[in-house]
Amino acid sequence: DAKTTQPPSMDCAEGRAANLPCNHSTISGNEYVYWYRQIHSQGPQYIIHGLKNNETNEMASLIITEDRKSSTLILPHATLRDTAVYYCIATHSGSARQLTFGSGTQLTVLP
Amino acid sequence: EPEVTQTPSHQVTQMGQEVILRCVPISNHLYFYWYRQILGQKVEFLVSFYNNEISEKSEIFDDQFSVERPDGSNFTLKIRSTKLEDSAMYFCASSDMLSGGARVETQYFGPGTRLLVL
Repeated sequence: DAKTTQPPSMDCAEGRAANLPCNHSTISGNEYVYWYRQIHSQGPQYIIHGLKNNETNEMASLIITEDRKSSTLILPHATLRDTAVYYCIATHSGSARQLTFGSGTQLTVLP
Repeated sequence: EPEVTQTPSHQVTQMGQEVILRCVPISNHLYFYWYRQILGQKVEFLVSFYNNEISEKSEIFDDQFSVERPDGSNFTLKIRSTKLEDSAMYFCASSDMLSGGARVETQYFGPGTRLLVL
């Protein structure tokens, strides 16, 4: 699976959009980009995933560049409860693939 | 909304003792996983399980670890003789198998069991 690079930390004002970048320059054509987050020591929570096209769900939007070498997770209106470590993971499709978690980005939403 | 559950939430044990961590995956999911996270460190993959067999395991998953699906709902991780370094959060996850096209399955995680080995 391709290595991903994320900034170690970011701040965001409450109510503003949080834009979390991820670099995955060596991603291959059949690798998906997944985003999870972990609040304190709770279990990782799935947010969104995509392959080529931009994706949106009730939690967030995922913007993937045309060359697929980077992506951005957007939380449109960040709240204090969005303070967490956010992980960007590139993984192949297929069954029972292990997820390789990096250090992620610590997002702190400020009041 | 269906979710993965884990018991116990906390477990304290003496070094050398056996522990069994329990998980109830999301109903109708077919793939099951265990991960662990030592305090302050990354989440690490331990093992994946499908059709009553281990699909993949990491170097961490040595002979002291075993997994089992004893019935139609539970998925367990057994540590035979615990060591101090086994102290960690242990997360269970499960995923479905999608049919047609690219098979991509999202792993959903449980809340974890905090294991402390004294």
